[in-house]
Amino acid sequence: SQQGEEDPQALSIQEGENATMNCSYKTSINNLQWYRQNSGRGLVHLILIRSNEREKHSGRLRVTLDTSKKSSSLLITASRAADTASYFCATAASKGTASKLTFGTGTRLQVTL
Amino acid sequence: GAGVSQSPSNKVTEKGKDVELRCDPISGHTALYWYRQSLGQGLEFLIYFQGNSAPDKSGLPSDRFSAERTGGSVSTLTIQRTQQEDSAVYLCASRDRGNTGELFFGEGSRLTVL
Repeated sequence: SQQGEEDPQALSIQEGENATMNCSYKTSINNLQWYRQNSGRGLVHLILIRSNEREKHSGRLRVTLDTSKKSSSLLITASRAADTASYFCATAASKGTASKLTFGTGTRLQVTL
Repeated sequence: GAGVSQSPSNKVTEKGKDVELRCDPISGHTALYWYRQSLGQGLEFLIYFQGNSAPDKSGLPSDRFSAERTGGSVSTLTIQRTQQEDSAVYLCASRDRGNTGELFFGEGSRLTVL
């Protein structure tokens, strides 16, 4: 079963607006990562946040983590048409098979001009 | 090479045939993963290799699926007696030392079983 569930499943915004995607997970984690996928092919790593961190920034990306609620959010500010892609959260468990990265179902983002 | 390389990029086969998918990870990366992604879906974990340790095969959906990693580098995912439900994009990823860092993905192999 999927560890992470993204919300919303799809999001359509205009260029310049901010996009927020949420991820919920079920078990204790070592870290949570966000990936981007264009056109159903390879994924590209965006950002990693550790379980003892609450917020992290990278360029136009801002990630938050709330371990008490087992949830994370990815904010893309000042979106561009090139940000159109699917975004996935992935979790590394804190015990057991910590090496296995479990992916959520993804949010499909459409940025229009 | 500079990135994770997968071949073939596309494979069309007939039901019942065997297929082999190849993954060449980033040089020096000790961990290698196979995932499967059906159309419009998330990634389904298949198998994980870490150095010389026994692989984690917990995600393989049936005994028709197998994978090996030779010399700690190239990996081959084999699907025997393919079925239509095996149609998907098969993604390979590798990771550097340490067991919680980012994964580097290949472009995937799109398998279509007719």
